[in-house]
Order: sequence, then C-alpha cells, then structure tokens
Amino acid sequence: DAGITQSPRHKVTETGTPVTLRCHQTENHRYMYWYRQDPGHGLRLIHYSYGVKDTDKGEVSDGYSVSRSKTEDFLLTLESATSSQTSVYFCAISGPGPDQPQHFGDGTRLSIL
Amino acid sequence: QQQVKQSPQSLIVQKGGISIINCAYENTAFDYFPWYQQFPGKGPALLIAIRPDVSEKKEGRFTISFNKSAKQFSLHIMDSQPGDSATYFCAAKKGGSEKLVFGKGTKLTVNP
Repeated sequence: DAGITQSPRHKVTETGTPVTLRCHQTENHRYMYWYRQDPGHGLRLIHYSYGVKDTDKGEVSDGYSVSRSKTEDFLLTLESATSSQTSVYFCAISGPGPDQPQHFGDGTRLSIL
Repeated sequence: QQQVKQSPQSLIVQKGGISIINCAYENTAFDYFPWYQQFPGKGPALLIAIRPDVSEKKEGRFTISFNKSAKQFSLHIMDSQPGDSATYFCAAKKGGSEKLVFGKGTKLTVNP
C-alpha cells in the first residue's frame, strides 16, 4: 500500500466549528489531492497541490481551504463547517507523468451535526 | 455538467458470470481512462487503465474495451467472483492535466 495516512479517521463536530483534516505521505510524491465522496456523486475533487505552497481549486472548492508547507503534508480546512460538508474525505497522491496512478488513503468520515 | 457518465448504478451477477460496466464521455481532450475498485471502508485503488490509441487492454480477468468514435469505454470482469463485489469507478484525464474526473460509480454484487 502507498504510504498515505489520513487523520483523523472519524470525526463528529457541530455546525460552525472549524475542522482540519490531515494527509501525510511517505512517498515523496509531488501531487496531492483532496476528494469528497457522497452517495450518488462519486468522487469530486476539492483542491489539489502540485508542490509545496502550490495549490489549485477543484470542482467543489467552496467552503474549503488547503495548505501544503511540506512535501509530505496536505491539510484540508473547513473554516466554518456546515451540514452539507458531511461526507467521506479522501486524500490521494501521485507522481509526475502522464500515466502515474493516483493512490488513495483510507478516508476520513466527517459528520457535521 | 457531468463529464463522465457511468452505468449501471448497481449490478448483480452470479458467480462465474460476466460483469459489464459502461462509461461515456464528451470531452475529446481526455486521453487517459483508468478504472478504480473500492471496497467498503477503503480508498479506491487503480485496477486497470487505457489510452485511446488501443481498443482493448486485458489484465487477468479484467478487460477494458475502448471505442474512440463513440466516446465510450467499458470494463468487463470475466468469471466474476464474490471477492469482486465492490464499487467500481471509471475516470478520465486530459492531456497535460493531473486532475481526474470520476464517474458516479457502480456497486457490483457477485452472488455465490
């Protein structure tokens, strides 16, 4: 398995609170991604990073911010969580190149009450 | 706008049968088409991938068929086994981009 650790694995919090999810990799891969997975929607890209301090938005970025201060860590922050952000969040990593696969972590299940 | 349309949403197959999942896309700039397999409680894992310069790619019991003119591609699982029960996602990526666009997934159940 690719060396990806997501933390926490489960979290329950209240509407309006800030939440930060962490993705840590040991593969020294350049690219890191945050997805959310919801029934009927598949996997949707929130934000991604192509290097330290280099990030860009995905298709569902509203309400989320990210930071990458080290190659190995990619943080996803919900500044003020809403119930619509209840989801399973997956981090992925990949190396550069046209056919490099994305390797996924095992996800964080986030419930916002 | 859904860029990759996947069907069916769910599929039940008997052990030993053939499972077929279909995907269609509109953007002709897509040039890389992977399939991912996901078991409950786990992240998706790459199963097999294809580029549009080939019409078919086979790895063990798994085959991707690609029809460039129809902008469709499909996953065939031969001799389906209960251990194949999982959710399958097709995806697509544009040349020069690192971003994948995923279909909505197909939940496959293989009955013993």
